[in-house]
Amino acid sequence: AQSVTQLGSHVSVSEGALVLLRCNYSSSVPPYLFWYVQYPNQGLQLLLKYTTGATLVKGINGFEAEFKKSETSFHLTKPSAHMSDAAEYFCAVSQGNTPLVFGKGTRLSVIA
Amino acid sequence: GAGVSQSPRYKVAKRGQDVALRCDPISGHVSLFWYQQALGQGPEFLTYFQNEAQLDKSGLPSDRFFAERPEGSVSTLKIQRTQQEDSAVYLCASSLFAGGSSYEQYFGPGTRLTVT
Repeated sequence: AQSVTQLGSHVSVSEGALVLLRCNYSSSVPPYLFWYVQYPNQGLQLLLKYTTGATLVKGINGFEAEFKKSETSFHLTKPSAHMSDAAEYFCAVSQGNTPLVFGKGTRLSVIA
Repeated sequence: GAGVSQSPRYKVAKRGQDVALRCDPISGHVSLFWYQQALGQGPEFLTYFQNEAQLDKSGLPSDRFFAERPEGSVSTLKIQRTQQEDSAVYLCASSLFAGGSSYEQYFGPGTRLTVT
């Protein structure tokens, strides 16, 4: 069975500061890993994904994440937070074209 | 269409009523997924179609929940005799799944169901 743990249900950063959202996963097979963002009353938008190959993946809006197999982690980072980054972020794992297993989410607040 | 669409966007049902939620996936997408998102939680898998075949319905919480995709495109999630615990946002996602694709799932805006 697969599972995802997101450390911290709420993270608050100052505008311009580093954003770090943590995700650890459990999977018995090589995982496919995803980060999604959800704005209020909207669906999920894919930020980035890891399937195979390069372990550092870059996504939209300046976000990136690094797959670390030894740590079973896929943390999301952005060098400089913007007010528009305030949203709910979900890490998810799958085995390919299978249902996604999501973490409980991390709400990011950006303080001016 | 340009993306996954869902209707209605909001639905209020009295306890015991039946509801039907519709999902229009991206044209040509083979796979279709339904998820349930309770308030303050991450989405949880309900069921999965590949074309018209329902390959996995292990996430459906009870036999009051039923999903279909008869022609391999539009899907309907039906909930019979709604209960208060059914209140949630129901998300639909589709993916191309054309062998060798990255299996990226595209999500619709969701239907927010409130059972009173």
